[in-house]
Amino acid sequence: NAGVTQTPKFRILKIGQSMTLQCTQDMNHNYMYWYRQDPGMGLKLIYYSVGAGITDKGEVPNGYNVSRSTTEDFPLRLELAAPSQTSVYFCASSGGQWVATNEKLFFGSGTQLSVL
Amino acid sequence: GENVEQHPSTLSVQEGDSAVIKCTYSDSASNYFPWYKQELGKRPQLIIDIRSNVGEKKDQRIAVTLNKTAKHFSLHITETQPEDSAVYFCAAGVHVQGAQKLVFGQGTRLTINP
Repeated sequence: NAGVTQTPKFRILKIGQSMTLQCTQDMNHNYMYWYRQDPGMGLKLIYYSVGAGITDKGEVPNGYNVSRSTTEDFPLRLELAAPSQTSVYFCASSGGQWVATNEKLFFGSGTQLSVL
Repeated sequence: GENVEQHPSTLSVQEGDSAVIKCTYSDSASNYFPWYKQELGKRPQLIIDIRSNVGEKKDQRIAVTLNKTAKHFSLHITETQPEDSAVYFCAAGVHVQGAQKLVFGQGTRLTINP
């Protein structure tokens, strides 16, 4: 199993450009998440999803959009990139509360995004 | 909303000694408290977690304690080894329809000196 796969690994955007960060998981997990991690800081939840067709806002949703059309995929869209969105973005998935061995978050390898 | 404070921000200990990292949280509704380890340039990995109905949990050299009344929880690493050097994050939160809605602390950079 590949686990959680994120693309791209690195990206530089100009202010006002748009892009989509891709995330896919092959563990048949119901729950998926997007976090951002600013330098020297902890992770902040942007959006999460409890299943296909269901998404909800986290701590810092402004400037982002998500969709969940399938169990496997959870893309994150930045519409009008701003310098404040320079960060490392992590996608994660979990099997859910009631799955004894899958309580933990499985993280992707991250996308380093710079907005200049 | 939930607010998680983590201390210290940096910690340096001699190999073989113990390390303790402390976190406080604000929302009494939080009932799940995981700890993640992140090596430089890598993804976070869960090392231990605890639920609010448990006061202490241990896994080999790692233990976590929770004081719900005081709203604080701590990570204890005994017999530290060089490979324990990393950034450690605490988190607190709840499950929403099965998903984990977590707030993370700012992190502690732990350095083990040989």
